[in-house]
Amino acid sequence: AQSVSQHNHHVILSEAASLELGCNYSYGGTVNLFWYVQYPGQHLQLLLKYFSGDPLVKGIKGFEAEFIKSKFSFNLRKPSVQWSDTAEYFCAVNAGGTSYGKLTFGQGTILTVHP
Amino acid sequence: EPEVTQTPSHQVTQMGQEVILRCVPISNHLYFYWYRQILGQKVEFLVSFYNNEISEKSEIFDDQFSVERPDGSNFTLKIRSTKLEDSAMYFCASSRRDTRAGELFFGEGSRLTVL
Repeated sequence: AQSVSQHNHHVILSEAASLELGCNYSYGGTVNLFWYVQYPGQHLQLLLKYFSGDPLVKGIKGFEAEFIKSKFSFNLRKPSVQWSDTAEYFCAVNAGGTSYGKLTFGQGTILTVHP
Repeated sequence: EPEVTQTPSHQVTQMGQEVILRCVPISNHLYFYWYRQILGQKVEFLVSFYNNEISEKSEIFDDQFSVERPDGSNFTLKIRSTKLEDSAMYFCASSRRDTRAGELFFGEGSRLTVL
């Protein structure tokens, strides 16, 4: 069975700092990759996704992620964070051959951005 | 913006009691899902539902759990006889289609506390 690991439980940054959140997965076959974000008091929402093609994908609010197949990684980046980026971020994987809605989540990374 | 709504937001119940968690998916969506997150743990897939039947379920989704779409709008998760370990946040999600473009939309969750 596939698993997803996020390296950091809690990241604290100042505004304008650069962000990189690590995500690694274990699954040898075709995968679809996602980052979800949950702002305080809100629902999980999709930040970006990768299915195929260009391994560098861009999402909403200036976020991007890079799929490195050889490293089984899908790290999330943002060059300059804002206070409004404070949220919990979840990496998720969908294994090929299963329902596209069946996601395996990482444990989440809480991002706190200080103004 | 259409959204997935869940009720109740918080339910406290005694061990052994039956609980029904309700979800109203986005109106033109056809695929429905339940996930749960035990405090401090990962978000876990429970079940996917399409065309009035379960399309996939996890090993967590045992005989104590059932899902139903009793009318054209609601999607419910029933736990027949709750256990302490069922205490968790339960998330409903829906998508328009089960394809790569079928983004999951999540509700805000129902927190279940079993005493």
